[in-house]
Amino acid sequence: DAKTTQPPSMDCAEGRAANLPCNHSTISGNEYVYWYRQIHSQGPQYIIHGLKNNETNEMASLIITEDRKSSTLILPHATLRDTAVYYCIVRPPYDYGSSNTGKLIFGQGTTLQVKP
Amino acid sequence: DAGVIQSPRHEVTEMGQEVTLRCKPISGHNSLFWYRQTMMRGLELLIYFNNNVPIDDSGMPEDRFSAKMPNASFSTLKIQPSEPRDSAVYFCASSLSSEAYNEQFFGPGTRLTVL
Repeated sequence: DAKTTQPPSMDCAEGRAANLPCNHSTISGNEYVYWYRQIHSQGPQYIIHGLKNNETNEMASLIITEDRKSSTLILPHATLRDTAVYYCIVRPPYDYGSSNTGKLIFGQGTTLQVKP
Repeated sequence: DAGVIQSPRHEVTEMGQEVTLRCKPISGHNSLFWYRQTMMRGLELLIYFNNNVPIDDSGMPEDRFSAKMPNASFSTLKIQPSEPRDSAVYFCASSLSSEAYNEQFFGPGTRLTVL
């Protein structure tokens, strides 16, 4: 499975954009890039995912480089409630012939601290 | 929709006792996942089901752990006998299917403490 590399921690000022980077240089052509976050004492929360194109939803934007070896999650206007651990995950497609399939494998993530 | 429901939210038990954790997935979801989170090992996938059938249990730590999904709306994770090193937060998640383009939705977790 493709591995991801994220900075262990980042700070962001409230109201500013938070840009969280992720490197996944060994990603395969059919693997998705997923982002989850985990606010203290809660279950992981899905944010966004993409394959090749940039994606945007009500929570965030996902920018994937053309070679797909890295991506950036953008929270356009960070609030104090966005303080959390953010996980970037490369997810293999479902292969009916393999048990190692479709899994979400969580790394250590980036702890984002939004400051007033 | 109520989301993924887990019970109990907190469980404290003594070593050697049987522990049963429960999960109700989101209605209409066909895949269910059990995870464990500890400070040392982070979030780990234990087992997952497709259409009530266990697909991959390679993450189950040992024979003391077992999981069942008797129907589409209910799953259990059982530890018998429990040990202090089983203390962790256990999360259940569900998704429409195991396909990589379907996101997983997590429950609030069960915090297990084994004394």
